[in-house]
Amino acid sequence: AQKITQTQPGMFVQEKEAVTLDCTYDTSDQSYGLFWYKQPSSGEMIFLIYQGSYDEQNATEGRYSLNFQKARKSANLVISASQLGDSAMYFCAMRERRDDKIIFGKGTRLHILP
Amino acid sequence: DSGVTQTPKHLITATGQRVTLRCSPRSGDLSVYWYQQSLDQGLQFLIQYYNGEERAKGNILERFSAQQFPDLHSELNLSSLELGDSALYFCASNRTGPNYGYTFGSGTRLTVV
Repeated sequence: AQKITQTQPGMFVQEKEAVTLDCTYDTSDQSYGLFWYKQPSSGEMIFLIYQGSYDEQNATEGRYSLNFQKARKSANLVISASQLGDSAMYFCAMRERRDDKIIFGKGTRLHILP
Repeated sequence: DSGVTQTPKHLITATGQRVTLRCSPRSGDLSVYWYQQSLDQGLQFLIQYYNGEERAKGNILERFSAQQFPDLHSELNLSSLELGDSALYFCASNRTGPNYGYTFGSGTRLTVV
């Protein structure tokens, strides 16, 4: 079974609009971390935001925020006021305390339209 | 510069050959992770080393092997290469603890022809 599910293979969004990228996860651990990474066409993996399972507040980093709904096991990434440079592949990922490695979802390709 | 150094950036080789990918982790990081990303695919975990010891193994083929040296740099060896091994290979390092993400290197793009 997949531990990280990203149901949107691709999205098209108009510039300056907000966009939500969906991510659900599956774990039986109480302690875990959730991450979002951005991969532009150049290929590098860029860390965007982190949410800990015990964090009560949603994480925010500039225009990025993570909508964390623990009971639903959901960790959606919200990008406010999207820009052309936001066009990229976005990966949701999880790291469980019992397991040192990070597991990635299959990604969502985001296209920002001018 | 993320602090994680991967060399080479690009590699083109023929089927049946063997190549070595190199990774130097960020200063102070003891763990090194290797991932494979095939075309339009997510990242597949291959193997993890921690302070010179193998810590976890993922879907790594028997033709592939890795090691981490005393200076903490790591090498991923790919042998008897097949066309399907063409991919972007990432190395990442991180600090210990579940709330630390990875810092990725820029990747090695391997093309097998």
